[in-house]
Order: sequence, then structure tokens, then C-alpha cells
Amino acid sequence: EAGVTQSPTHLIKTRGQQATLRCSPISGHTSVYWYQQALGLGLQFLLWYDEGEERNRGNFPPRFSGRQFPNYSSELNVNALELEDSALYLCASSLEAGTPINSPLHFGNGTRLTVT
Amino acid sequence: AQSVAQPEDQVNVAEGNPLTVKCTYSVSGNPYLFWYVQYPNRGLQFLLKYITGDNLVKGSYGFEAEFNKSQTSFHLKKPSALVSDSALYFCAGFGSGAGSYQLTFGKGTKLSVIP
Repeated sequence: EAGVTQSPTHLIKTRGQQATLRCSPISGHTSVYWYQQALGLGLQFLLWYDEGEERNRGNFPPRFSGRQFPNYSSELNVNALELEDSALYLCASSLEAGTPINSPLHFGNGTRLTVT
Repeated sequence: AQSVAQPEDQVNVAEGNPLTVKCTYSVSGNPYLFWYVQYPNRGLQFLLKYITGDNLVKGSYGFEAEFNKSQTSFHLKKPSALVSDSALYFCAGFGSGAGSYQLTFGKGTKLSVIP
């Protein structure tokens, strides 16, 4: 089966611009999660979407937003980019909504966002 | 608030020797704990999980983890390290009392297996 796919692989933007990152979950998975992996900070939870609805968001400002489409793919938008937004953004999907207990998260390879 | 800590930024081990990557947790309620591995320029891959039951959990690629409730630890282990095990390892978890199934990740431990 095809894994979680993310595009683009790399993205370079300047401060103040907007970035759009895309994620396609594994076929049949309805939940999509977004994480930010900044150097030295581990993975920070950003957003969780399930069945087209935002279910939870992490401690990030409102300029981080996203959506989930009817085919369960997802977009992460980052407005008014700041230098500290430079990070690897990981998308993950799971079969069961909400809990990773019975359905571990499957991660994509990420989008490397660089803000200059 | 729940937290997961990995006290070592880096662990070096000789090929063939046993390896341990440490993880401690602080969650409310029953803990649900996971280990993931990340190879360079790749996403995270699931290794194993502890939900309930036996304290020794076996996972992928010969890895296992030992759950210790009294020490609130969930250390990752492997009897004989391979060079190909060199990667970044993340411990993650959440508690049944958190009101949310959101995984909290540690900051990661870089494992280097020396030939």
C-alpha cells in the first residue's frame, strides 16, 4: 500500500510570505495529524483533522491553519512566515479517529520549510 | 500536563553490544507509550507500543522495551546493535486521564552504532 505522501519535499520562502503544505494519507485512513519538528525541540503537535473537521490543535498561533478535504487529504497553511517557522513539517495518518492505541500513526517523509 | 523525557541527546554503542535508549514519562491515568524511529530525511516509523499487560514489549527489527511503572520509565532495548540501527529515536505517550489522545513526543535520542 502507498504510504503517507507529502509535497513539496522542500519549500523556501521569505519572511512574511505564506506557505502551503500538502498531505495525502494512506488509503482508508480518515485522521490526519500535523507536527512541527524544529531542531532540538522534538515533535510539536500542530493540528488534528478527522472526517473533514478540525478536532484539536496544539499551542501554535492562529496563523497556522489547515483543512481536510472530502478525500481526506489535508493542507497546512502558514501565514506571515517568521524565521522560527523553519522546520520539518510531518504529516501522519491513522485508521482510527483520535486514538493511536489500536492504530499507530503512519508518518510521511515531511516537508522541509526554510524561511529566509 | 503530560510530558515525555529522553534524558540523552545521543547514545553511542559498539556494533554487537546491547543498546538502551532511555525514556521517562509523566501522564495522568494509565500510560500508553510508544517508540518511533526516524532515519535521515524520512518520517517516523512505528517500532512498538505499551498499552497494558506484560512489562516487556517486543517490536520491529529486534527491538523491545521495558515498562517500569514505579520508575515511570519505558526504555528501548536491543540485545545486539547493528550499524543500520543508527537513527533518531523518539519516545511518545499519553495518559488515559488526559482527556485527549494526543501523543506527546520526547525530543529524540540520536543513536550511533560504531562498527
